[in-house]
Amino acid sequence: GAGVSQSPSNKVTEKGKDVELRCDPISGHTALYWYRQRLGQGLEFLIYFQGNSAPDKSGLPSDRFSAERTGESVSTLTIQRTQQEDSAVYLCASSPRLAGKNIQYFGAGTRLSVL
Amino acid sequence: AQKITQTQPGMFVQEKEAVTLDCTYDTSDPSYGLFWYKQPSSGEMIFLIYQGSYDQQNATEGRYSLNFQKARKSANLVISASQLGDSAMYFCAMREGGTSYGKLTFGQGTILTVHP
Repeated sequence: GAGVSQSPSNKVTEKGKDVELRCDPISGHTALYWYRQRLGQGLEFLIYFQGNSAPDKSGLPSDRFSAERTGESVSTLTIQRTQQEDSAVYLCASSPRLAGKNIQYFGAGTRLSVL
Repeated sequence: AQKITQTQPGMFVQEKEAVTLDCTYDTSDPSYGLFWYKQPSSGEMIFLIYQGSYDQQNATEGRYSLNFQKARKSANLVISASQLGDSAMYFCAMREGGTSYGKLTFGQGTILTVHP
């Protein structure tokens, strides 16, 4: 019973480079979410995937950000031409196909530092 | 306007005492869910408790209870018998809409410090 797995745990990159962050959800979870947490702040929603439905991209801050998900498995968040303001912890969460409270379970996050 | 407001940047409590962490929310949707998460210094987000907008009773989970006052749009977390391990950041979050999927909107968090 593995939890949500994210890789890498830490990423240091230079301004202008592209980065890819990976998320492996809990097996069987149909929904997958990406959030960003700047230092000392709350979580900001970026994007979520639910089964075969079109993803909700309403939280992506710019067209430099994109995400893909293969079926109900792995997701990759890509940030192109990174900027210093992209430095943050990127958290992935997944949730099962349940009614009601349907808890989102979080991974440990990827800490991105843009120099 | 902020959808989730946590007005206490930091709170201190003595071990074994109870503490209330405040959360107010803003939505025009009649159907919503309210969540509390704990984030220790290690960074993981740990789910604590959930309250649905149509739930008649306040939610409880062990030492955690949610003081839900719908008319005031508040959903305060009460931690009874505080323990040193409760020291962490606490986030209130809301999911709007009648589905069980969808983004969570988070508050800015409250740092709780439990003193021995």
